[in-house]
This record gives sequence, structure tokens and C-alpha cells, in this order.
Amino acid sequence: DAGVIQSPRHEVTEMGQEVTLRCKPISGHDYLFWYRQTMMRGLELLIYFNNNVPIDDSGMPEDRFSAKMPNASFSTLKIQPSEPRDSAVYFCASSLESPAGGETQYFGPGTRLLVL
Amino acid sequence: KNQVEQSPQSLIILEGKNCTLQCNYTVSPFSNLRWYKQDTGRGPVSLTIMTFSENTKSNGRYTATLDADTKQSSLHITASQLSDSASYICVVSASNAGNMLTFGGGTRLMVKP
Repeated sequence: DAGVIQSPRHEVTEMGQEVTLRCKPISGHDYLFWYRQTMMRGLELLIYFNNNVPIDDSGMPEDRFSAKMPNASFSTLKIQPSEPRDSAVYFCASSLESPAGGETQYFGPGTRLLVL
Repeated sequence: KNQVEQSPQSLIILEGKNCTLQCNYTVSPFSNLRWYKQDTGRGPVSLTIMTFSENTKSNGRYTATLDADTKQSSLHITASQLSDSASYICVVSASNAGNMLTFGGGTRLMVKP
């Protein structure tokens, strides 16, 4: 398997623009997670899905952020409008079962977002 | 509030030396604790997972310990190599529903020749 695939790997945009990050989880994995990582705050869970249904979006910073999972093999994280403080590395991860029960999460390579 | 604290924040050691990274947590009810290694520019990769009944678990030169009474875990790296340079992240899971994972801030390790 190719692992978790994320695109783009790098994104530079101007404040106010819409940004869409994409993720393809490992085939057969029922859980999908979106994380944000910064030097100041470390890794933060934004939202996770189980069987394409959003379960917990309490980590989504504000209404500018939205995530969808239209099918088992694709998810998007959208920021509209983007702000400089959104600059971070965004990771997508997937797991077969819930990691709270001990299942391993597999992370993608991340998308480095810079908002000017 | 669930919290995971890691120390030190950063560490520099010489190649071949041993080191120990610490993780203290207040997550409750405890389910499991996992150590991740994150190379620069990459996503985290799981090194080992500890459950309540496990005290020690090894993965090659990496040995994790867990003291559920004091809520502490350590990751010991033996005979360090340059490739061990990375961030090491401690993640604790709670067993109650809706409380997925709590991440530590990580320890950034640099191994110098």
C-alpha cells in the first residue's frame, strides 16, 4: 500500500484566499484524522471521521475551517478565508480501528501551508 | 483536564551515547500510551505502545517503560545513531468515548557525530 497520501505537499497563498488540502487514507481504514502542527502548539487534533462520518470536530479552530469526507478514500480540509496564523503543517492520518483502543495511526507526509 | 508533559524539550548527545526521554501524563481513565518518532519533514511513525499492564517494551535500541501508578513513561535510546535525530512524541489515550488522544509537546533530539 502507498500509505496515506496528501496533496499538495506545499502551499503558499495570500491572506484571504481559499485553501483546500486533500487526503487519501490507507485502503480499508475506517478512521481518518486531520492534525495541525506548529512549533508553538505541537500536534493538535482538528477533526476525525469514522466510516466517513465526522465524530469530533471540537478541535477545529473556527468557522473558517471545514472538513468533508465524501467517500472512504478521500477527505478535504478547507480554510476560507485563510489567515497568516493558519500557517502550519497539516497532517492527515488513518487507522483501521480507533487508536484509543490501541490501533496504530498512520500519518501522511503532511502539507506545509504558508499564508502570507 | 487531560495533559501530557514531555521533558526535556530538546537534547543534544554524541553518537553512541544513551539517552532517556520523559513523559508525564494526567489522562484519565488511562487506556494506552504510545511513543512516536517524527523525522524532520515527515509525519510521525509509531515506535511502541504501552498498555496498563505493561512495564517495559523494547523495539530494537528503543526501550519504553510505563509506571501507571506515578503516570510516567520513559523512552530510552541505547547506543544512539545519527538517524535517531528526530522529535519524539508521547501520546496518551483515554478509554472513555469521545476523548481520543492527548499529545505531548515532544522532545527534539539531536545526535552529533
